[in-house]
Amino acid sequence: KQEVTQIPAALSVPEGENLVLNCSFTDSAIYNLQWFRQDPGKGLTSLLLIQSSQREQTSGRLNASLDKSSGRSTLYIAASQPGDSATYLCAVTQDDNYGQNFVFGPGTRLSVLP
Amino acid sequence: NAGVTQTPKFQVLKTGQSMTLQCAQDMNHEYMSWYRQDPGMGLRLIHYSVGAGITDQGEVPNGYNVSRSTTEDFPLRLLSAAPSQTSVYFCASSRTSGRMRSYEQYFGPGTRLTVT
Repeated sequence: KQEVTQIPAALSVPEGENLVLNCSFTDSAIYNLQWFRQDPGKGLTSLLLIQSSQREQTSGRLNASLDKSSGRSTLYIAASQPGDSATYLCAVTQDDNYGQNFVFGPGTRLSVLP
Repeated sequence: NAGVTQTPKFQVLKTGQSMTLQCAQDMNHEYMSWYRQDPGMGLRLIHYSVGAGITDQGEVPNGYNVSRSTTEDFPLRLLSAAPSQTSVYFCASSRTSGRMRSYEQYFGPGTRLTVT
């Protein structure tokens, strides 16, 4: 059964720092991996989607990498801002018929201090 | 485009009551799903649908029923509410993945349900 873990569980950094969030999964037969942001009391906002054939995706200050064989993904946030404070979730889908049912990690709660 | 909408935003039920959580999307997405989010357990898949008339169970389907009569709507029914069903419920949708690529999933704002 696929299991997804995220390290660290919580992170507090001063504004302007570059930071890395880690995601690990136990079964490398994934279809894709998606990073989400969740603000308190809100829904999930998609940040980056990495297909299983890709190594990384970039959007603005965010860069996500994927190493399928080692079961790892990282989300790099450059020049962090207080507005980046949120919980970051990674989720993988399996290489089944539809490849769309997520297995989520527990999330990393990020606080960026002004 | 409203995206994925969910109603109600909040609900309090007594044990044994039934209710339906509504989910609708206006993006003509074939795939829709329901997740529940509990502290310390992350999001877990309840049911999903790959198109009108087709539904299937996820990881935690017991106590929930779904149907998909239209592309736009995917309601989640709680048959007899229990305190263990206190949670935040999220609906999601996307285009159907193919062998060559998959598509981003879009989530609704959630329904906070308390069962007393």
